[in-house]
Amino acid sequence: NAGVTQTPKFQVLKTGQSMTLQCAQDMNHNSMYWYRQDPGMGLRLIYYSASEGTTDKGEVPNGYNVSRLNKREFSLRLESAAPSQTSVYFCASSDDGGYNEQFFGPGTRLTVL
Amino acid sequence: RKEVEQDPGPFNVPEGATVAFNCTYSNSASQSFFWYRQDCRKEPKLLMSVYSSGNEDGRFTAQLNRASQYISLLIRDSKLSDSATYLCVVNGGNSWGKLQFGAGTQVVVTP
Repeated sequence: NAGVTQTPKFQVLKTGQSMTLQCAQDMNHNSMYWYRQDPGMGLRLIYYSASEGTTDKGEVPNGYNVSRLNKREFSLRLESAAPSQTSVYFCASSDDGGYNEQFFGPGTRLTVL
Repeated sequence: RKEVEQDPGPFNVPEGATVAFNCTYSNSASQSFFWYRQDCRKEPKLLMSVYSSGNEDGRFTAQLNRASQYISLLIRDSKLSDSATYLCVVNGGNSWGKLQFGAGTQVVVTP
């Protein structure tokens, strides 16, 4: 039982490049989330998927897109990376609509030059 | 104004001492409250949920004050392994209930 897994763990991009961050959970959770964490700030929600087949914008969606591929997988895409997207990205999942514990993946450390 | 505010610290605590810190939240409709722990460069992990009547889990005690809109965490008999950043997390209160995370309070336990 791996919980929430994320790939890659580290990534360096040049401005304008694109990439997809992958996330998978094996806990049969309905809800999945993408957050970014910057120094001195709390985790900020980028996008979430309350259930398979649905996605919605969070607090900071600009510059990102997501795909809920199936119940297990939720990917985050940066179409044209910008230095402002340098951050640590965490994927999380929960069994409900966000009222209970969220389980986090180990994070992806992204640097955009 | 941030939805969840925390003193960033650091709180420097001698081993064996007690440390306590608060977190304030702005949404009076919030229904769920949590403390998460985050170690350096690691993912956040749930430490404990916070219930209306207050609750204790070993050396950790959490309290909720709805009238003043804050929650607190108290750590007794601090261990070196308690050194971490503690994140205050509050349910946003809207119909779906997205969580709002504070920026964290850093605790450093010293020998």
